[in-house]
Amino acid sequence: SQKIEQNSEALNIQEGKTATLTCNYTNYSPAYLQWYRQDPGRGPVFLLLIRENEKEKRKERLKVTFDTTLKQSLFHITASQPADSATYLCALHNQGGKLIFGQGTELSVKP
Amino acid sequence: DAGVTQSPTHLIKTRGQQVTLRCSPKSGHDTVSWYQQALGQGPQFIFQYYEEEERQRGNFPDRFSGHQFPNYSSELNVNALLLGDSALYLCASSLRMVHYGYTFGSGTRLTVV
Repeated sequence: SQKIEQNSEALNIQEGKTATLTCNYTNYSPAYLQWYRQDPGRGPVFLLLIRENEKEKRKERLKVTFDTTLKQSLFHITASQPADSATYLCALHNQGGKLIFGQGTELSVKP
Repeated sequence: DAGVTQSPTHLIKTRGQQVTLRCSPKSGHDTVSWYQQALGQGPQFIFQYYEEEERQRGNFPDRFSGHQFPNYSSELNVNALLLGDSALYLCASSLRMVHYGYTFGSGTRLTVV
């Protein structure tokens, strides 16, 4: 069956360090992979989209990689700040138009 | 430019009742998707509407139904509510022919007692 797996344990890091979050998937051939940020009680907010023929995408302090051979995406936040503390969701968008989410990884950045 | 608007923000219903949740998409968007999010979980895809028709459906029973209106707004209806339907219901809008991120509303928190 199709699965999207993200680190289930919360990630705790020190301010200024790089946070790296992992998204693995099975039995998918996604056309696009997206990352969202979600704060408690709020809807997800779109951060980055990467296409299947792209290896890497950057936006300010954010970087996403996409390895369709390993079926994995890595999401990096460099120079992390306490304001980056949130749950980060990975989502796959197949050609059929469905956007399917992983369970999310909670990131906590300590001052 | 208003984003996605959902109403109501909170709702308490009794088992067996029916509920209707509403969503106005972001201006310029033509596609609406609905998600159910339980506490501590990722959003689960319910269905997607485009051109007033259900185009994709997730693994949800027929008790979950929806509608899209000519102005692209949408409703989610849930019949015969169960305790397990308690969750945050999220609406997301997008532009069908443009592959970019979805815009989500803040959701409706449904509690079934």
